[in-house]
Amino acid sequence: EDKVVQSPLSLVVHEGDTVTLNCSYEVTNFRSLLWYKQEKKAPTFLFMLTSSGIEKKSGRLSSILDKKELFSILNITATQTGDSAVYLCAVDVSGAGSYQLTFGKGTKLSVIP
Amino acid sequence: NAGVTQTPKFQVLKTGQSMTLQCAQDMNHEYMSWYRQDPGMGLRLIHYSVGAGITDQGEVPNGYNVSRSTTEDFPLRLLSAAPSQTSVYFCASSYLDSRALHFGNGTRLTVT
Repeated sequence: EDKVVQSPLSLVVHEGDTVTLNCSYEVTNFRSLLWYKQEKKAPTFLFMLTSSGIEKKSGRLSSILDKKELFSILNITATQTGDSAVYLCAVDVSGAGSYQLTFGKGTKLSVIP
Repeated sequence: NAGVTQTPKFQVLKTGQSMTLQCAQDMNHEYMSWYRQDPGMGLRLIHYSVGAGITDQGEVPNGYNVSRSTTEDFPLRLLSAAPSQTSVYFCASSYLDSRALHFGNGTRLTVT
């Protein structure tokens, strides 16, 4: 059974702090790993990672994948209250004839002023 | 620039009733999918489609039917609602060679 495990499940930080969110996986067929941000409603796409060691960056957010150790991290520097959300990690486990993402349970980040 | 549109936003059903959750996208995406999101369970794939006339089951398909007659629309049918189907349902779409899913705003369904 494919597994995607995120940690911590929840996190409270002060504005300006730097946070690291973790995602580990055990899957039979890995194609890519994706990060999404979910505020009140729909998840929105952040990053897709396919190769180990190559950092993806967007503003204060960055992410990296380690395919040997089977994990990814999402870093957020100089956090703001607008970063408060649930961050979802998903692994593309698509194989021959199937197209599926397996999601972790998410990390709820709360940034307080 | 609508993206993925889901209707209704909220719905209350009695056990045994049927209903259809609507999903439409205007991005010409080949791939469309339905997820349910429950507290402590994350997003779980119900059904998906890679093009008109093609559908397949995901992780939790029981109790749900889908069809894909056009590229744009992918309705989800509950034939006989059960309290275990109380959840938030998300429709998502993408190009076939990408997993950067675009999600709708969700339908909150309560079955009493």
